[in-house]
Amino acid sequence: EAGVVQSPRYKIIEKKQPVAFWCNPISGHNTLYWYLQNLGQGPELLIRYENEEAVDDSQLPKDRFSAERLKGVDSTLKIQPAELGDSAVYLCASSLEGRGQETQYFGPGTRLLVL
Amino acid sequence: GDSVTQMEGPVTLSEEAFLTINCTYTATGYPSLFWYVQYPGEGLQLLLKATKADDKGSNKGFEATYRKETTSFHLEKGSVQVSDSAVYFCALGTNAGKSTFGDGTTLTVKP
Repeated sequence: EAGVVQSPRYKIIEKKQPVAFWCNPISGHNTLYWYLQNLGQGPELLIRYENEEAVDDSQLPKDRFSAERLKGVDSTLKIQPAELGDSAVYLCASSLEGRGQETQYFGPGTRLLVL
Repeated sequence: GDSVTQMEGPVTLSEEAFLTINCTYTATGYPSLFWYVQYPGEGLQLLLKATKADDKGSNKGFEATYRKETTSFHLEKGSVQVSDSAVYFCALGTNAGKSTFGDGTTLTVKP
């Protein structure tokens, strides 16, 4: 079974430029998560989707971040414009139905460096 | 709000030593508790979990018991190996589907 796929793995951009990250979850998983992971810290939720619906985006900085999950499968997270403080690892995860006791399956992450 | 506090690292042990990584949590209701592990260059993966009080999760020689009275979920292994070197994350998941992670503890096992 294929795991969660993310691309690109690494991205270097200059500040004020836009950037986009893509995630393909495990087949059949209804719930998709985007996390931000700063160095030396644990993942922090940015947004959670159940199928196409964003059910928790309270921590997403909506002035510069946007996300979509068309057709309830793949998802894209965008930052426009990027700031120096956005340098971090962006993790995508998926689970069957998003219940608290479910295991989340993580992708390898996209490491972003903003210069 | 919900929170998870892990023992600060890094932790360095010799092979075959006993490992404990402390984890305590704060949450309303009755969350599920998890330990995830992140090996170098890889994504987080589930190590073990427990979904109710007094449950013990176990995998690959690692164990953790859900202690409601002390709000803890400490990770233990009786004899660590070099291959156990990784970052370990304690996490909780609520019935509302919210997840909270600790900051991770880096373990290095030396031969």
